[in-house]
Amino acid sequence: KAGVTQTPRYLIKTRGQQVTLSCSPISGHRSVSWYQQTPGQGLQFLFEYFSETQRNKGNFPGRFSGRQFSNSRSEMNVSTLELGDSALYLCASSLSAAGFTGYTFGSGTRLTVV
Amino acid sequence: AQTVTQSQPEMSVQEAETVTLSCTYDTSESDYYLFWYKQPPSRQMILVIRQEAYKQQNATENRFSVNFQKAAKSFSLKISDSQLGDAAMYFCAYRSANYGQNFVFGPGTRLSVLP
Repeated sequence: KAGVTQTPRYLIKTRGQQVTLSCSPISGHRSVSWYQQTPGQGLQFLFEYFSETQRNKGNFPGRFSGRQFSNSRSEMNVSTLELGDSALYLCASSLSAAGFTGYTFGSGTRLTVV
Repeated sequence: AQTVTQSQPEMSVQEAETVTLSCTYDTSESDYYLFWYKQPPSRQMILVIRQEAYKQQNATENRFSVNFQKAAKSFSLKISDSQLGDAAMYFCAYRSANYGQNFVFGPGTRLSVLP
């Protein structure tokens, strides 16, 4: 069975641009969460979606947004990119509503802002 | 807010030996879940083991086992018969049973396995 698929794997953007990252969860998983991973801050929670509804949001500025579609696929968008947004963005899906059984992660999108 | 601490930024172990990675957490809740995740150079986080706080029995998955001490808020991971493929970053994570909360990850421990 296919795992969590994130596209693209690598992305280079210029400061001030916007970017959209995509995540396809494991078939049957309706919960999708996003994390930002940096060497300095570690893994930080961005958002969690379940059945197209945002259930939880981390402490990130409004430039970070997301959504989930009826097929459970999710996208996250970052507008007006800053150099500090350079990070590995990880998507994770779960069978249970809040990841109580544990997440299955994708391989991430490495975003570099120049 | 809950916090997760991993006091060992780096560790190494000889192949076939046993190693224990430490994790402590701070919470006022009684119902929660604890996880260990492994992140190899391929970047994908892989679930190693999961523990439910209300279960006193320590979780075990093949060569991986945990020592869960609820009163001490400690959740260490023991890897037996270490293999080269075990080399990775290991993250300890806490998940409240409250739906309004989210996962909290520790800073990670980088494990090297020496041949």
